[in-house]
Amino acid sequence: SYVLTQAPSVSVAPGKTARISCGGNNIGGETVHWYQHKPGQAPVLVISYDSDRPSGIPGRFSASNSGNTATLTISRAEAGDEADYYCQVWDRSSDHWVFGGGTKLTVL
Amino acid sequence: EVQLVESGGGLVQPGRSLRLSCVGSGFNFDDFAMQWVRQPPGKGLEWVAGMTWSGGSIGYADSVKGRFTISRDNAKNSLYLEMNSLTAEDTALYYCARGSGTSRLDRFNIWGRGTMVTVSS
Repeated sequence: SYVLTQAPSVSVAPGKTARISCGGNNIGGETVHWYQHKPGQAPVLVISYDSDRPSGIPGRFSASNSGNTATLTISRAEAGDEADYYCQVWDRSSDHWVFGGGTKLTVL
Repeated sequence: EVQLVESGGGLVQPGRSLRLSCVGSGFNFDDFAMQWVRQPPGKGLEWVAGMTWSGGSIGYADSVKGRFTISRDNAKNSLYLEMNSLTAEDTALYYCARGSGTSRLDRFNIWGRGTMVTVSS
């Protein structure tokens, strides 16, 4: 089945840009969704269809997808952005949804 | 307010069964596909099962296929997960999620806060 690989953790200084990567075999040919998950809260969709932001998600969140890597970019990082971030794709070969292992973003 | 609320979790012995429920409100429940996703303690999200608005298409993760059954009652705005032959590996926080459309392939744009299932003797 399709495997998505994420780094366990990423750190960023407040006001700087954080980049969270999601690796997968030719992931650029897939549609990637990104979720933000804070402890004790429901996960939130922050990017869908590679780069679309749902209403209510700040413009500081953007994403790209090409080759073997999809990337979530958070500009002007804030303390409130601290969370686990997951990438997700639909694996057509197995008829399964697949999540990456998640990346814990620390803003310090 | 659009909302999903899960219930039915608890402590259960290995080999036993448990049924989870998820009630949706603030939207037309039968217009959307629904999913179950779980998160074991200290680990990441794992998709468990999903179904279309009508139940005409259903899918399961390999880890639960044959043991778990997803179903829905649109008249009650409810989604269910019947879990049988539970093992310690099924211990997790179980989330209900709504798709953005009627297809199982639609992104998950609304999530509940989860219900905890602990499998232990």
